[in-house]
Amino acid sequence: QVHLVESGGGVVQPGGSLRLSCAASGFTFSRYGMHWVRQAPGKGLEWVAIIWYDESNRYYADSVKGRFTISRDNSKNTLYLRMNSLRAEDTAVYYCARGGSGLDSWGQGTLVTVSS
Amino acid sequence: DIQMTQSPSSLSASVGDRVTITCRASQGISSDLAWFQQEPGKAPKSLLYAASILQSGVPSNFSGSGSGTDFTLTISSLQPEDFATYYCQQYNSFPWTFGPGTRVDIK
Repeated sequence: QVHLVESGGGVVQPGGSLRLSCAASGFTFSRYGMHWVRQAPGKGLEWVAIIWYDESNRYYADSVKGRFTISRDNSKNTLYLRMNSLRAEDTAVYYCARGGSGLDSWGQGTLVTVSS
Repeated sequence: DIQMTQSPSSLSASVGDRVTITCRASQGISSDLAWFQQEPGKAPKSLLYAASILQSGVPSNFSGSGSGTDFTLTISSLQPEDFATYYCQQYNSFPWTFGPGTRVDIK
């Protein structure tokens, strides 16, 4: 049974940095592309980034390109999102999702609040 | 970027009703479309991918159709647990994009 658990969210000042983690279990992590998707309070879903199963490719939403970095450690079954130069508009619940048959499994999310 | 639109933005329906939600892409995306259900305060749940293929465990009263630019999600007989917000999402090209959502609530 696929299980994804995000952590690392919290309150950070504008311009600050944060690293999110997503611990995966229940499947062979190293065989799947992985994604981050976010949802601002009361708003819809926004795809953020993808990393290939072997880290050979990464793509980002325009809104985070150059500020966020997606990475993974297949030996630890963990996905990461490094977020720099955070802005108020980055405030959201951040979900990790497995790229199987579409975004077929999601974590419960971790809240990031950017505020002074 | 490919823009996704959904209609209606919200609807009210009764248990047992047939509900149809439409999703349109700003350019052709073949069948590279997924549908998600999200209940308040919960993570999204994948319902369908490739426009019409049900995810494992999703009830058969959900169905999807379409290709190119126009897609539909149909709930053949609305159940109490189906009152939620539904999103379409294209994965034909990066950046992947979601529709704005359709909220289905109780009449």
